[in-house]
Amino acid sequence: NAGVMQNPRHLVRRRGQEARLRCSPMKGHSHVYWYRQLPEEGLKFMVYLQKENIIDESGMPKERFSAEFPKEGPSILRIQQVVRGDSAAYFCASSFEINTGELFFGEGSRLTVL
Amino acid sequence: ILNVEQSPQSLHVQEGDSTNFTCSFPSSNFYALHWYRWETAKSPEALFVMTLNGDEKKKGRISATLNTKEGYSYLYIKGSQPEDSATYLCASLDDYKLSFGAGTTVTVRA
Repeated sequence: NAGVMQNPRHLVRRRGQEARLRCSPMKGHSHVYWYRQLPEEGLKFMVYLQKENIIDESGMPKERFSAEFPKEGPSILRIQQVVRGDSAAYFCASSFEINTGELFFGEGSRLTVL
Repeated sequence: ILNVEQSPQSLHVQEGDSTNFTCSFPSSNFYALHWYRWETAKSPEALFVMTLNGDEKKKGRISATLNTKEGYSYLYIKGSQPEDSATYLCASLDDYKLSFGAGTTVTVRA
């Protein structure tokens, strides 16, 4: 039973380029969360999605960032026109149920913006 | 997004000793409190999900208690071993999402 799969594990982009991070949740999980870990900081909530729906994006910057979780395929976190401040580790997690279900985390995607 | 605080930020403990550390969270509109263990170069793994005031959960040498009325939880490690070295995260559930504390990093010295 494969866990939460994230790719790429490491991504290097130059300022102004686009970054796309992918996350495949655990089998049977329909709730996906994206968290960001900035250097020397903890995990910060970005967005919560269910299949084809964004439920809560209150933690996501209003510009340049978007997320989707299509009916088929992985969830994608997209960062347009990256800046140096976007350099961070981005973690995806999935759960089976909302209110009491534990989160299962991927190993993260580390974005470095040059 | 809730304000979840953990203390201390880090601690060192001698192998065989026991230790504990704290997570505090807003007590109003409480839904659930999670504890995760995060080893270096790995992903966070759930230890406990706690929902009831007075709850106490145990997994091997690690246990946790919950006080929802005053908004705190303790994590205990009994007889620490080097493999317990990790960052321990707590998170409070708010409106379908978890707000995480910054973690307590435990280093067990052999």
